[in-house]
Amino acid sequence: DTAVSQTPKYLVTQMGNDKSIKCEQNLGHDTMYWYKQDSKKFLKIMFSYNNKELIINETVPNRFSPKSPDKAHLNLHINSLELGDSAVYFCASTMPNTGELFFGEGSRLTVL
Amino acid sequence: GENVEQHPSTLSVQEGDSAVIKCTYSDSASNYFPWYKQELGKGPQLIIDIRSNVGEKKDQRIAVTLNKTAKHFSLHITETQPEDSAVYFCAASKGDSNYQLIWGAGTKLIIKP
Repeated sequence: DTAVSQTPKYLVTQMGNDKSIKCEQNLGHDTMYWYKQDSKKFLKIMFSYNNKELIINETVPNRFSPKSPDKAHLNLHINSLELGDSAVYFCASTMPNTGELFFGEGSRLTVL
Repeated sequence: GENVEQHPSTLSVQEGDSAVIKCTYSDSASNYFPWYKQELGKGPQLIIDIRSNVGEKKDQRIAVTLNKTAKHFSLHITETQPEDSAVYFCAASKGDSNYQLIWGAGTKLIIKP
């Protein structure tokens, strides 16, 4: 049983295109996140939603728009893709009182 | 702003030896310190964590120590095995937040057979 699942796992696209990554968790968690991991493996938080409400929005360009239709789903839409958007994007979820983050397997985005 | 420094960036040890990874944090209000292991092609996974009211925690071959005065915490892995090869991340809570962590830059641990 996959706990946090992301699709697609790989995404190759041209500069200027718009793409989406989907995330679903079946753990019953209230809080979900999007993280970006660059080529040097550095993990950077982008967004967090708690019960469909945005609670963390780091300095991410407006081209990135998260959407949480319900507390089990958090999708990421990226407009006008740039070369610098190439990275692995991880979705994660947690129950805040435990602190433990459960990560998906990542979605590798390559912008050509 | 708050940050977490992690050292070394790469650590190579002989199988069976011990490995130690160290982190320093800047936010004196941080109260939660997890360690995550990331294997190739996978997402990070929590391996051990410690809260600020505890100085040391052990789980089989892994242990974490916390020095609140010096704002240091360390991961110790004893009797290393090939499957310990991975990237390890330390993190500290942003203040006493339940939602946000400040991450270290990661340590690539290589276990030599």
